[in-house]
Amino acid sequence: DAGVIQSPRHEVTEMGQEVTLRCKPISGHNSLFWYRQTMMRGLELLIYFNNNVPIDDSGMPEDRFSAKMPNASFSTLKIQPSEPRDSAVYFCASSFQRGDTEAFFGQGTRLTVV
Amino acid sequence: GENVEQHPSTLSVQEGDSAVIKCTYSDSASNYFPWYKQELGKRPQLIIDIRSNVGEKKDQRIAVTLNKTAKHFSLHITETQPEDSAVYFCAASSDKLIFGTGTRLQVFP
Repeated sequence: DAGVIQSPRHEVTEMGQEVTLRCKPISGHNSLFWYRQTMMRGLELLIYFNNNVPIDDSGMPEDRFSAKMPNASFSTLKIQPSEPRDSAVYFCASSFQRGDTEAFFGQGTRLTVV
Repeated sequence: GENVEQHPSTLSVQEGDSAVIKCTYSDSASNYFPWYKQELGKRPQLIIDIRSNVGEKKDQRIAVTLNKTAKHFSLHITETQPEDSAVYFCAASSDKLIFGTGTRLQVFP
């Protein structure tokens, strides 16, 4: 398996534009997590899915953020409209079970909103 | 919800010395405690983990201890090497992984 795959690796966008981040989890993993990493706040959990169902989205900062998991092999995180303070590295991770087994991280998407 | 505190935020040691990073958690339901290492510009990767039914676990130069009563757990790295330099994150989980704020470890030759 190629591991968790995220795209794009880098994204630069103008304030107000829509941004869509993509994630392909490891095949057979049931749980998927979206994290945001900044120097100030570290690794923040935004949302996690279990068996494609959103379980906890309490970390999603605002209504501008939304996430979907239409099937077991694909998830998206969308920001609309984007703001400069959304600039961060966004990681997707997947694990075999809900949070009590190793979470494998993708390479991350570095988002810059100018 | 779960809250994980980690300290110190930075740690500098001489090569060959030991390094200790400590974490506390708030949710008594947490039963899984992994540690991740993140090198500059790379993804976090698991280096060791411990479950609530175990008090200590060791893997070569790395060991973790868990005190469930006090809700704290620690990472110990012995005989540190320059390649151990990275940011280390602890995490606690009952169903979702919540991370500490990270410790930047620098090992000087």
